[in-house]
Amino acid sequence: AQTVTQSQPEMSVQEAETVTLSCTYDTSESDYYLFWYKQPPSRQMILVIRQEAYKQQNATENRFSVNFQKAAKSFSLKISDSQLGDAAMYFCAYPPVSGSARQLTFGSGTQLTVLP
Amino acid sequence: DVKVTQSSRYLVKRTGEKVFLECVQDMDHENMFWYRQDPGLGLRLIYFSYDVKMKEKGDIPEGYSVSREKKERFSLILESASTNQTSMYLCASSSGKNEQFFGPGTRLTVL
Repeated sequence: AQTVTQSQPEMSVQEAETVTLSCTYDTSESDYYLFWYKQPPSRQMILVIRQEAYKQQNATENRFSVNFQKAAKSFSLKISDSQLGDAAMYFCAYPPVSGSARQLTFGSGTQLTVLP
Repeated sequence: DVKVTQSSRYLVKRTGEKVFLECVQDMDHENMFWYRQDPGLGLRLIYFSYDVKMKEKGDIPEGYSVSREKKERFSLILESASTNQTSMYLCASSSGKNEQFFGPGTRLTVL
């Protein structure tokens, strides 16, 4: 079975500090997308950032950036200058090889707490 | 902005009842998905649909069925609800290989 692993069920960060959430996945594909989603306590899941695997440059969206290591199949999310509103459950996701390219497989999530 | 709506935020049903969860998207997306979310397990795909009247099983289809009669609407059906189907249900839609957009979720409790 295709898997995506988030090894940190919970993490905490001090406000204004930087935190990195890890994600590893398993695929033999060469061209695919990787995603980080955020689910705040209100439960609406929203996209944080997307990485295209064929691009060597790491994606960046304001305070959010990824460290994409294709050979290591690692896709970590870095949050800089953490804010109280960043507190949420974070999920990484990718399309599994065995399924349709439309599907996504999600990790089990990392609960991020931001301390004032 | 893409908007995905779900018919209920909270639902309480009794064991054996037939349950309908409805999802509507307004961006003409061809793909629609139903997930259930449980603590420590992340999101697990129940069913998805890539076109009207088309459906494919996800990772955990047992005990569920789906219906897609119109492009914008995707329904999840629990033919005979059981207590182990108590969960958060999330609907999503997408176009092509692009990111999925999620609804607010339905918290279903089966007594």
